[in-house]
Amino acid sequence: KAGVTQTPRYLIKTRGQQVTLSCSPISGHRSVSWYQQTPGQGLQFLFEYFSETQRNKGNFPGRFSGRQFSNSRSEMNVSTLELGDSALYLCASNNRGQYQETQYFGPGTRLLVL
Amino acid sequence: AQTVTQSQPEMSVQEAETVTLSCTYDTSENNYYLFWYKQPPSRQMILVIRQEAYKQQNATENRFSVNFQKAAKSFSLKISDSQLGDTAMYFCAFMSPLFGNEKLTFGTGTRLTIIP
Repeated sequence: KAGVTQTPRYLIKTRGQQVTLSCSPISGHRSVSWYQQTPGQGLQFLFEYFSETQRNKGNFPGRFSGRQFSNSRSEMNVSTLELGDSALYLCASNNRGQYQETQYFGPGTRLLVL
Repeated sequence: AQTVTQSQPEMSVQEAETVTLSCTYDTSENNYYLFWYKQPPSRQMILVIRQEAYKQQNATENRFSVNFQKAAKSFSLKISDSQLGDTAMYFCAFMSPLFGNEKLTFGTGTRLTIIP
């Protein structure tokens, strides 16, 4: 099976812009979670989507949003970018409900905000 | 809230030696999962090993094994016959599926360097 894919892999934006990141889970997986990784804050949970519904949300401002499509692909959007949004954004897929309870990660999207 | 603590920010070991990375966690729940993930310089997060709390037997995956002490809330990773490719950041992570929460809580990581 193909692994989790994320696009784009690298992105440079300026403050105030918005950005959309995409994640395609492992075939058959219906749960997608997003994490932000920064040197200062480490790995932090953003949100999880399952069957097109947001199931959990981390402690991030409303500028961070996401959605999931019927094919389980997910997008996350960050509006009004700030310098502090520069990070590696990781997506993970999980075969939720199948007693697997294991998240498999994509290669990440590196976002640099100037 | 669950917390995960990795008290060793950096470690180094000679190639072919054995190294143990420490992890402790705090939770009031009884059913949960613990993981070790490896993040090499490529930044790809790779699952190393997984442990279910209700299983008393320690998980093993080839050269990787864990010492899971539920009462002590300790979950250490042992890497035997270490190889240069083991050089990476290692993260301990906790998940409790209670109430449908599939969120992973990570420790701060241990940077492991294998010396040739």
